[in-house]
Amino acid sequence: NAGVTQTPKFRVLKTGQSMTLLCAQDMNHEYMYWYRQDPGMGLRLIHYSVGEGTTAKGEVPDGYNVSRLKKQNFLLGLESAAPSQTSVYFCATSPTGAYEQYFGPGTRLTVT
Amino acid sequence: AQSVTQLDSQVPVFEEAPVELRCNYSSSVSVYLFWYVQYPNQGLQLLLKYLSGSTLVKGINGFEAEFNKSQTSFHLRKPSVHISDTAEYFCAVGGDTGRRALTFGSGTRLQVQP
Repeated sequence: NAGVTQTPKFRVLKTGQSMTLLCAQDMNHEYMYWYRQDPGMGLRLIHYSVGEGTTAKGEVPDGYNVSRLKKQNFLLGLESAAPSQTSVYFCATSPTGAYEQYFGPGTRLTVT
Repeated sequence: AQSVTQLDSQVPVFEEAPVELRCNYSSSVSVYLFWYVQYPNQGLQLLLKYLSGSTLVKGINGFEAEFNKSQTSFHLRKPSVHISDTAEYFCAVGGDTGRRALTFGSGTRLQVQP
């Protein structure tokens, strides 16, 4: 039982490059979230999904896109990376009927 | 709208001393409150949660927190800390029944010194 996994763990991109971060969960949770963590700012919600095939914007969605084609996977895409997107990205999941969230180990992204 | 304020960005404390990490929140709906811990280079781990009922909540690793509605606070406490408690601690509030997202504070770095 792996819980929430994130791929890759680290990545360095050049400005303008694109990439996709993968979040996978084996807990059968309906809700999935992408956050970014920056020093002194806590975690900020980028996008979220309340179920397979659904996505919605969070607080800081600009420059990111997401997809949830399968219940267990939630993908975060950067179409044209910018240095301002240098951050640690966390995926989280939550079951129906609960508010607590379960986090993956994070992806550290550097954009030069 | 919801918000969380963690009043201290860093809290240094000696081993075996008590500690309190402060958290204040604001919300226009019923609240659910959480404390998470993040060890270096790891994800966030749930320490404890308040959903309803008793205002004193006990969590893992000997931590507890008290929900105070009148003061809109949810402070985290531990009577005797260990070196291994050195980590960043995040307070979070939920209650938006639509997206069920959490709003996080900016974090408090607990530094336990020998």
